Amino acid sequence: QVQLQESGPGLVKPSQTLSLTCTVSGGSISGGDYYWSWIRQSPGKGLEWIGYIYNSGTLYYNPSLRSRVTISIDTAEKRFSLKLNSVAAADSAVYYCAGFHWLRAFDLWGLGTLVTVSS
Amino acid sequence: EIVLTQSPDTLSLSPGERATLSCRASQSISSNYLAWYQQKPGQPPRLLIYAASNRATGIPDRFTGSGSGADFTLTISRLEPEDFAVYYCQQYGSSPPYTFGQGTKLAI
Repeated sequence: QVQLQESGPGLVKPSQTLSLTCTVSGGSISGGDYYWSWIRQSPGKGLEWIGYIYNSGTLYYNPSLRSRVTISIDTAEKRFSLKLNSVAAADSAVYYCAGFHWLRAFDLWGLGTLVTVSS
Repeated sequence: EIVLTQSPDTLSLSPGERATLSCRASQSISSNYLAWYQQKPGQPPRLLIYAASNRATGIPDRFTGSGSGADFTLTISRLEPEDFAVYYCQQYGSSPPYTFGQGTKLAI
């Protein structure tokens, strides 16, 4: 079955850019079944959907983060990525990559990776 | 943006009892596209119910989702020890942003 795995630095300095990658295994990243998404979870804000990329072209970002977020995809490498710039302590969270299906919602999740913003 | 409010924040029950969790939306959710997730410490959320009342693959039938419009319920008929966790609702009926409720902790 399809599995997702996040990777990236666990510590980012304030004002710098957070960069994470999600590798998709056991299935196709370009089959069109899933909107490849990023979600984060912090004690203060709960679960927050960050955005998705679909079919290598369609993008949608949460308006609350739109000015700082970029999501991209590399279908050859079967991975998609998140960049969040100008980070602050409030961006510290567990970041999940997830697959969103139009009917079944988020039925694919990575294990999550903790990112701490601190100098 | 649709705001989801879950109640109660914490529900204290015993194994074998019935649990009823509520999720109320700030406006009607199109096509009743409301999902429920279970999360245990150190794990990602796990999809239980999608489109208000459809159990996801492998989910036991003691989990039942119901409701429509702006009011939804997750019922666990007979609590097993492994059911004690945090439960979230999430809406996806309209254009993004997709939003989650704040969670209900089901405690022993």
